[in-house]
Amino acid sequence: NAGVMQNPRHLVRRRGQEARLRCSPMKGHSHVYWYRQLPEEGLKFMVYLQKENIIDESGMPKERFSAEFPKEGPSILRIQQVVRGDSAAYFCASSRVRDSYEQYFGPGTRLTVT
Amino acid sequence: TQLLEQSPQFLSIQEGENLTVYCNSSSVFSSLQWYRQEPGEGPVLLVTVVTGGEVKKLKRLTFQFGDARKDSSLHITAAQPGDTGLYLCAGQPNTGNQFYFGTGTSLTVIP
Repeated sequence: NAGVMQNPRHLVRRRGQEARLRCSPMKGHSHVYWYRQLPEEGLKFMVYLQKENIIDESGMPKERFSAEFPKEGPSILRIQQVVRGDSAAYFCASSRVRDSYEQYFGPGTRLTVT
Repeated sequence: TQLLEQSPQFLSIQEGENLTVYCNSSSVFSSLQWYRQEPGEGPVLLVTVVTGGEVKKLKRLTFQFGDARKDSSLHITAAQPGDTGLYLCAGQPNTGNQFYFGTGTSLTVIP
């Protein structure tokens, strides 16, 4: 079974550009979580999505950040007009059912804003 | 505000020694997970505990969930260099959808 896949693994953007991060959940999983990990900090929850539905976006910054999980295709985390402070590792995790206490992580996308 | 506090933050021990990592909170969790993360990779789920007082063993690793479901510990017996990594605890409160992660314990096992 393929695990959670994320691409790209590394992404470099200049200030003001857009970053698109993709996440394909494990086979049979229809729930996706996005997290951000800053150096010296733990993983911070951003958003929880089910296909075509945002369940909880309370951890997402109100501006410039958006997420979607369409009926077909991967989940996308979109960051508009990136700033240096957006540089971090972004991880997605998937679970099989809603409110499952087991989630499986992808390898992450390391975003560097220059 | 950090919901889950892990201690110690850093730990360096010799191969063969035993160690315990703690994960504490003032909040009650419906479940608690332990992960291990290696540099440049995502966290890998080690175990989930859901019942207060529960103890789970995974080879040389022993996980315990506190009776009040507010804290947990990870004990490693006879540590090996392959155990080196960042150990993260994560908890899911009784209400809400979020998982809250601790800041992690960075373990180095010296051969």
